Amino acid sequence: AQKVTQAQTEISVVEKEDVTLDCVYETRDTTYYLFWYKQPPSGELVFLIRRNSFDEQNEISGRYSWNFQKSTSSFNFTITASQVVDSAVYFCALSEAIRGGTSYGKLTFGQGTILTVHP
Amino acid sequence: DSGVTQTPKHLITATGQRVTLRCSPRSGDLSVYWYQQSLDQGLQFLIQYYNGEERAKGNILERFSAQQFPDLHSELNLSSLELGDSALYFCASSVAPGTANTGELFFGEGSRLTVL
Repeated sequence: AQKVTQAQTEISVVEKEDVTLDCVYETRDTTYYLFWYKQPPSGELVFLIRRNSFDEQNEISGRYSWNFQKSTSSFNFTITASQVVDSAVYFCALSEAIRGGTSYGKLTFGQGTILTVHP
Repeated sequence: DSGVTQTPKHLITATGQRVTLRCSPRSGDLSVYWYQQSLDQGLQFLIQYYNGEERAKGNILERFSAQQFPDLHSELNLSSLELGDSALYFCASSVAPGTANTGELFFGEGSRLTVL
């Protein structure tokens, strides 16, 4: 069975600090996708990144970066120089193949990490 | 704006009642997914439809049902409502499988259901 663990329930930082959100996953699939979503106080789920299981390159997008390590089944997310607007709940998610790989939309979400950035 | 539209945004009803949540996927997306977010269960996959056919089922209660219509919009029907059904219900859509963006889900803003 698929499982995603976000060990940090809540993180509190002061603006401009760097913060890393941890994500560890379990799956028996050889092909899968990993995701990070942001849920701001308004409630919608905002897509941040999708990573294919075959692509272990780290990615940087502005102040955001992701570290994917298949050997440790981890997909960690770092926010550099955090800002108050980064305050949100962040979810890591894992997709599984449906019907022999024809669909990957069934996501297993972690419990989420509540990030609070203080001014 | 993800392009996925959900109505209603908020709904308050009583136990035992039945409600219908509606979702319009992004233009061109054939797959629709329903997720439930509650305080005790977190975000859980309920069901997926692809071009009108049910594709995958998650932890969806028998009191809940869904369908996808020929115009690709989807409805989630919740009946015999209980207090524990209070949650945020998300709809998501994605492109056809096998395309470059397979697996990327776009979520609507959710329908918040409160059962009193």
